[in-house]
Amino acid sequence: ETVLTQSPGTLSLSPGDRATLSCRASQSVSSSYLAWYQQKPGQAPRLLIYGASGRATGIPDRFSGSGSGTDFTLTISRLEPEDFAVYYCQQYGSSPPGTFGQGTKVEI
Amino acid sequence: QVQLVQSGAEVKRPGASVKVSCKASGYTFSKYYMHWVRQAPGQGLEWMGIINPSGGSASYAQKFQGRVTMTSDTSTSTVYMELSSLTSEDTAVFYCARDYGDYGPFDYWGQGTLVTVSS
Repeated sequence: ETVLTQSPGTLSLSPGDRATLSCRASQSVSSSYLAWYQQKPGQAPRLLIYGASGRATGIPDRFSGSGSGTDFTLTISRLEPEDFAVYYCQQYGSSPPGTFGQGTKVEI
Repeated sequence: QVQLVQSGAEVKRPGASVKVSCKASGYTFSKYYMHWVRQAPGQGLEWMGIINPSGGSASYAQKFQGRVTMTSDTSTSTVYMELSSLTSEDTAVFYCARDYGDYGPFDYWGQGTLVTVSS
């Protein structure tokens, strides 16, 4: 089973800053089946990125994903106030599907 | 528009079972698998299992094997997740989430159902 390790655990930034979040897999993620989700307090997660770099419907272009193999990155180019949240990466497309990282909190 | 609407919060005694529902609308129910995800208070996301609404076949995470049952009702476009032998460690929010393609990613999520296990 693939283990996903996210870093840092917490990222303290200001609106307008650039955020770079890392997700490292214990083994290669096939076909770049790597997704990113955003979760705000009291809300369900929201899909941001799939296939390592594809933006989900309605996601602003300040969110971008990159990487392959075992190293993946979510970048938020300029933080908006509504972007302060917890971000999870997820490996999918294999059994068991849906392995999540432990999350990175982006805080002001 | 796609919507997943879950049943309301539950309070259960240790040892009891809980059954959470997830009603889908806005798309062809039988064409998309559904997942269930657990989130304990202040913790991360934990995948529980997947069900094919067409036919009802399900696959469960090893951690929940023997304790979880996922079912579907195509006549009402609803999937269910039943968890038995509850302990305080099962206190969590449970989400249903639609499978976008090939065992993920999860493109639409229900609003979550809080299950509290307390004596």
